[in-house]
Amino acid sequence: DGGITQSPKYLFRKEGQNVTLSCEQNLNHDAMYWYRQDPGQGLRLIYYSQIVNDFQKGDIAEGYSVSREKKESFPLTVTSAQKNPTAFYLCASRQGTSQPEAFFGQGTRLTVV
Amino acid sequence: GQQVMQIPQYQHVQEGEDFTTYCNSSTTLSNIQWYKQRPGGHPVFLIQLVKSGEVKKQKRLTFQFGEAKKNSSLHITATQTTDVGTYFCAGRGAGSYQLTFGKGTKLSVIP
Repeated sequence: DGGITQSPKYLFRKEGQNVTLSCEQNLNHDAMYWYRQDPGQGLRLIYYSQIVNDFQKGDIAEGYSVSREKKESFPLTVTSAQKNPTAFYLCASRQGTSQPEAFFGQGTRLTVV
Repeated sequence: GQQVMQIPQYQHVQEGEDFTTYCNSSTTLSNIQWYKQRPGGHPVFLIQLVKSGEVKKQKRLTFQFGEAKKNSSLHITATQTTDVGTYFCAGRGAGSYQLTFGKGTKLSVIP
């Protein structure tokens, strides 16, 4: 089955540690996105990528980094510079004009203690 | 940057009542999409509107795109308990891959 997979579903880290969230898609989509969801804040865009080896900052990129070395993969690293990292993180992919909708993964709930 | 505002933030309705959520963009949009997120789930695509003044229907759901392509609405007729969730609009500017989401409207339906 085609889809987009995020792992793990729940993640706990100590303050000051970097952590990488995985996002893999086998939909052959060009564009991939990372969103952060907090209660009452909706989905806020962290980074997005239109093609391999290229990505752009979203609205809240500070304290995060990404890479897009392969079309299928778009990992997100939450660095120790992110002041409030505890949140629900959603990855999405999208083909483009021929198939406009974004498909979301199940999300990763990160808790930093 | 592009901003998308959505109101209301919360809406509680009695089952059978209608529900509407509104979305406004600070800039003209190329298109607007609507998503539904069930409690504990992830957003799922409902529809995309592209043309100025476009109206689309999906059973009890009616979606509208404003003439200026800066606002949109989702109307649900005779709500059911299965409609519970958070409804998001997401706008995309011309020539951009960036999808900007509104904060969502959380719908509760009282049986």
